[in-house]
Amino acid sequence: GQQLNQSPQSMFIQEGEDVSMNCTSSSIFNTWLWYKQDPGEGPVLLIALYKAGELTSNGRLTAQFGITRKDSFLNISASIPSDVGIYFCAGPPNTGNQFYFGTGTSLTVIP
Amino acid sequence: NAGVTQTPKFRVLKTGQSMTLLCAQDMNHEYMYWYRQDPGMGLRLIHYSVGEGTTAKGEVPDGYNVSRLKKQNFLLGLESAAPSQTSVYFCASRTWGVGSDTQYFGPGTRLTVL
Repeated sequence: GQQLNQSPQSMFIQEGEDVSMNCTSSSIFNTWLWYKQDPGEGPVLLIALYKAGELTSNGRLTAQFGITRKDSFLNISASIPSDVGIYFCAGPPNTGNQFYFGTGTSLTVIP
Repeated sequence: NAGVTQTPKFRVLKTGQSMTLLCAQDMNHEYMYWYRQDPGMGLRLIHYSVGEGTTAKGEVPDGYNVSRLKKQNFLLGLESAAPSQTSVYFCASRTWGVGSDTQYFGPGTRLTVL
């Protein structure tokens, strides 16, 4: 499907550091989803957002639905080695049945 | 509750052979999707279904066919496999509604066409 702009493309961080990534779209979204994909595995849903301005946490992960409804942010606090993987955003635009996906952020955590 | 399952997990085909990939979901979702993911690339939509008995083309439908005879199953067929169809295939199902629109993925099928 159409790709969303996601940044950064990759990150190399020290264990214990915080991580931030974001997604932007040219279309208004009613839903923002954040996934993590480990090598050889299917994407796993981390957080789902449904309201502009919504801030939702899942353990050390926090995601926000931008107030313009055209962006979303994911933060990981106090990173650990098992956070390694590819993170991507996704969402369905207002119209249509298909999902748009972010280009992905590859996270490497250095112990 | 198994979520979304896919069979087989791995398969090797020779050029010209046919096969069917099975996706099953036990969440009573109306929407189901088939994607392919190539190395270093994002997910590309092959076909999708908005309900039992319906199918629609996605971004890269050529060389694939699908069927949704039962609500819980979505089949992806390759009639005459080509090396360009070597990829990892993911199925997903979607729960749709205000405040609950979410897509869940299966574990994937890794297909190699020689």
